[in-house]
Amino acid sequence: KNEVEQSPQNLTAQEGEFITINCSYSVGISALHWLQQHPGGGIVSLFMLSSGKKKHGRLIATINIQEKHSSLHITASHPRDSAVYICAPGGSQGNLIFGKGTKLSVKP
Amino acid sequence: EAGVVQSPRYKIIEKKQPVAFWCNPISGHNTLYWYRQNLGQGPELLIRYENEEAVDDSQLPKDRFSAERLKGVDSTLKIQPAELGDSAVYLCASSLRGAGNEQFFGPGTRLTVL
Repeated sequence: KNEVEQSPQNLTAQEGEFITINCSYSVGISALHWLQQHPGGGIVSLFMLSSGKKKHGRLIATINIQEKHSSLHITASHPRDSAVYICAPGGSQGNLIFGKGTKLSVKP
Repeated sequence: EAGVVQSPRYKIIEKKQPVAFWCNPISGHNTLYWYRQNLGQGPELLIRYENEEAVDDSQLPKDRFSAERLKGVDSTLKIQPAELGDSAVYLCASSLRGAGNEQFFGPGTRLTVL
């Protein structure tokens, strides 16, 4: 069983739709990261959270430590949000365990 | 301020040839990571440095892979000899020392082994 499971693996949405990407993990963590990867390989950190909820613009990340589950939400999605979104729980030593990612495509 | 710099961005070599990747982390970042990302997969850690010390190299295939971080700043990752299965994107990231700090990623080096 993978230590990090993301769902869905692929997601196609129409511009303006509300999007949710889920992440479940089985390891103990100090913090969980949500990352965005555009075609060409560049990875950008979106959120790092260890409890509750964080919001940045149209992006919202939540985490439930007891249930070992996190979600990334995108409100009013836009074609420029098209990317791969990666969930990465981080252990006490700082190492990240990466999910396989969710490929999001937002159509105009 | 410049982000994490990697070079080259792309490399195509024939199998059994050597190859080296270079990474310059963000100034002041003690911790440096090398990851390998296969197509359709998330990155996997190869090695983590705290300053010049490799503190986690358990996933580094030591028969053909080597890495160094002299002076605790720049780092190089080498493969010798390369195999077909080494084709992947090699990512470098850096962070401040300590768990829970944000990691900043370089653009990666896309390696193709023919």
